[in-house]
Amino acid sequence: DAKTTQPTSMDCAEGRAANLPCNHSTISGNEYVYWYRQIHSQGPQYIIHGLKNNETNEMASLIITEDRKSSTLILPHATLRDTAVYYCIVKAGGTSYGKLTFGQGTILTVHP
Amino acid sequence: DGGITQSPKYLFRKEGQNVTLSCEQNLNHDAMYWYRQDPGQGLRLIYYSQIVNDFQKGDIAEGYSVSREKKESFPLTVTSAQKNPTAFYLCASSNWPGELFFGEGSRLTVL
Repeated sequence: DAKTTQPTSMDCAEGRAANLPCNHSTISGNEYVYWYRQIHSQGPQYIIHGLKNNETNEMASLIITEDRKSSTLILPHATLRDTAVYYCIVKAGGTSYGKLTFGQGTILTVHP
Repeated sequence: DGGITQSPKYLFRKEGQNVTLSCEQNLNHDAMYWYRQDPGQGLRLIYYSQIVNDFQKGDIAEGYSVSREKKESFPLTVTSAQKNPTAFYLCASSNWPGELFFGEGSRLTVL
């Protein structure tokens, strides 16, 4: 699976959009981009995933560049409860479960 | 409600003792996973299982053992061979390779 690079930490004001970048320059054509977050001392929570097209759900939007070498997770109106570690993960699709590699992630701190 | 239940939430162990962490899911998911997390670090995969009676080693399987006798259950045993077992242990399940549902975790401390 391709490696990902994320900033170590980011800050955001409450009510503003939080834009979390992720670089995955070696991504292959069959690899999906997944985002998870982990609030302190809890299990990670799945947020969203995508292959080529931009995706949106009730939690966030995922913007993937046309060359697929980077992506951005957008939390449109960040709240204090969005303070967490956000993980960007690249994983091949299909029926092979295999391992999902969680790196260090980005620590997002939302300020009042 | 459907979900994953891990128990116990906190566990203390003396050196040299084996301990077993429970993980049960009622989501009817085929695959189950065990991860370990150390303070300030990401998650590392210990074992995973795609179907009943089958499981594969992850990146750090040494000193751990698992079984998958039922679809709903995937217990993890931390053996005395694991030299540094103090950690936060997370169980997950999925029916799609990238979408994992995690439990609340079990925190093991070796005294």
